[in-house]
Amino acid sequence: GAVVSQHPSWVICKSGTSVKIECRSLDFQATTMFWYRQFPKQSLMLMATSNEGSKATYEQGVEKDKFLINHASLTLSTLTVTSAHPEDSSFYICSARDRTDVYETQYFGPGTRLLVL
Amino acid sequence: AQSVTQLGSHVSVSEGALVLLRCNYSSSVPPYLFWYVQYPNQGLQLLLKYTSAATLVKGINGFEAEFKKSETSFHLTKPSAHMSDAAEYFCAVSYGGATNKLIFGTGTLLAVQP
Repeated sequence: GAVVSQHPSWVICKSGTSVKIECRSLDFQATTMFWYRQFPKQSLMLMATSNEGSKATYEQGVEKDKFLINHASLTLSTLTVTSAHPEDSSFYICSARDRTDVYETQYFGPGTRLLVL
Repeated sequence: AQSVTQLGSHVSVSEGALVLLRCNYSSSVPPYLFWYVQYPNQGLQLLLKYTSAATLVKGINGFEAEFKKSETSFHLTKPSAHMSDAAEYFCAVSYGGATNKLIFGTGTLLAVQP
């Protein structure tokens, strides 16, 4: 149980294009999902908290117009990197919190590696 | 500010030896505590979590962690290391509430020598 998927697992795109990453909770409902960014050999940096049916909450320093988040259902959140540039190249990981878990455990997806040329 | 400290960014053990990865949190209020493992180019997998039901928590792959309130620690151990345990390990805490953010430690890279 508690499986989270991400699609795509990796993507290469040209500078200026937009890229959409999907995060799905496969066997549970998630009212809250999180988006992280991880640089090589570093810990995870929280970008935003995504709540089903409402606007995402972005961390300080994260451009909300650059990283568009939509959480349209209890099992799906999407992150769109708009007008991507090489500095957006990174490993993006999502997590989801089971709405029935009183301990607020986050379950993580396998990550999406983005390379912007 | 609340924080998590993982002592030792790199730990190397021999196969079969004891694994000890350290984690300390900074709060007088016991948080929810988690250990995650990350293999190269993968997401994070939950190893175990502290739920206040018991101070010694057993997780997957033979790992366990002991919550010590007096020391504000939640160290991860495994009696006998396997080659397959080589990975990055992250300690994380959550204080609940409306946002329920996870605060991560900086991670410990475990190497297992044959």
